[in-house]
Amino acid sequence: SAVISQKPSRDICQRGTSLTIQCQVDSQVTMMFWYRQQPGQSLTLIATANQGSEATYESGFVIDKFPISRPNLTFSTLTVSNMSPEDSSIYLCSVVPGGQGGYNEQFFGPGTRLTVL
Amino acid sequence: KNQVEQSPQSLIILEGKNCTLQCNYTVSPFSNLRWYKQDTGRGPVSLTIMTFSENTKSNGRYTATLDADTKQSSLHITASQLSDSASYICVVSPYNAGNMLTFGGGTRLMVKP
Repeated sequence: SAVISQKPSRDICQRGTSLTIQCQVDSQVTMMFWYRQQPGQSLTLIATANQGSEATYESGFVIDKFPISRPNLTFSTLTVSNMSPEDSSIYLCSVVPGGQGGYNEQFFGPGTRLTVL
Repeated sequence: KNQVEQSPQSLIILEGKNCTLQCNYTVSPFSNLRWYKQDTGRGPVSLTIMTFSENTKSNGRYTATLDADTKQSSLHITASQLSDSASYICVVSPYNAGNMLTFGGGTRLMVKP
């Protein structure tokens, strides 16, 4: 398994500003992901955070809006840039530790609840 | 387009009662199907994972079933507790898609005393 922490747990921000969310894992993991969960919706994958290289973004998400860093195998950040009220969501970090007997089970962090005014 | 549909969208039951949540999917072929529990304000936590060859998997009071022929899965909760109040998400991992997952919209369960 993996224990994941995120900072901040929640924040209220003004439109036009940016927020960086941190994700820390208690062990080295190969795969790290960032998801968005809009109010009342299920999870949508934003990007795969690749260690030592640029993140891989899903359709509809771009690096200028959601820059991601992954300096090592236990840490990643997601920045929500130039925020608007539509960015109000829960942002979740997820990891696949590996060695799960072929299941590739994903573990999720507690999420960061972002409200943009 | 691969889809995962869950029903009902929401459900209210009395404490101690049983309930069954449904998941229909079109993802094919797939590697595994998962059920997650998500408490309000928290990240999803895995309850069960089943490969395409498994029919049932239990985790305490939670029992998941899978019918790969009809592309249906269910999650049965026995003797519900107030702490079972949460959203339950069905997630399918497409075959050869690596770690990419297809999420259902979830069923919001409320257990009342």
